[in-house]
Amino acid sequence: DSGVTQTPKHLITATGQRVTLRCSPRSGDLSVYWYQQSLDQGLQFLIQYYNGEERAKGNILERFSAQQFPDLHSELNLSSLELGDSALYFCASSAEPGLAGGDTDTQYFGPGTRLTVL
Amino acid sequence: EDKVVQSPLSLVVHEGDTVTLNCSYEVTNFRSLLWYKQEKKAPTFLFMLTSSGIEKKSGRLSSILDKKELFSILNITATQTGDSAVYLCAVENNYGQNFVFGPGTRLSVLP
Repeated sequence: DSGVTQTPKHLITATGQRVTLRCSPRSGDLSVYWYQQSLDQGLQFLIQYYNGEERAKGNILERFSAQQFPDLHSELNLSSLELGDSALYFCASSAEPGLAGGDTDTQYFGPGTRLTVL
Repeated sequence: EDKVVQSPLSLVVHEGDTVTLNCSYEVTNFRSLLWYKQEKKAPTFLFMLTSSGIEKKSGRLSSILDKKELFSILNITATQTGDSAVYLCAVENNYGQNFVFGPGTRLSVLP
């Protein structure tokens, strides 16, 4: 158990809908990362927040948005869902925002939310 | 465009064998290279490498980075069935702080 929690565990919805995925980082971790893993694209980095501020952006679609709240939990919002958005969405947390070489950079992954778009 | 290539894509060995997994990369403004183990669900962090030539070890696993030749290897000695997993390599760049993952190497260790 990494200490990172994600809800819900599974989500099934229809195309065109909007969903919110929730992540609670490990106690004390300030940085939250979101990843998408699908069969054809592998694991892809979406976005990172550090202490409430967006810090890095990867391959995140405009239909997707995220935020990190004052209590450090984070939400990933996916809208106008398409079949291709079906994937496993992971959240990870780390203590620091990625200072190279430090042990506090270690990212701990949550169990993931499996999203199925029908 | 940043890219990570892993080889082999799949590997089947018997318990007790030693394996070497390869990761080569092209990245703008390299910051770090990371190795993860993914069994059924979430990836588990193994190593973060930032400097060339310095081996990191954790039990039977070790890894080293060559920043001149742009590759890293992950060694697993005396493999066990519990080592069966997909091993992911990722690089982090300074520009936009992006993480790029390779396709993974699927390791199967037979009893």
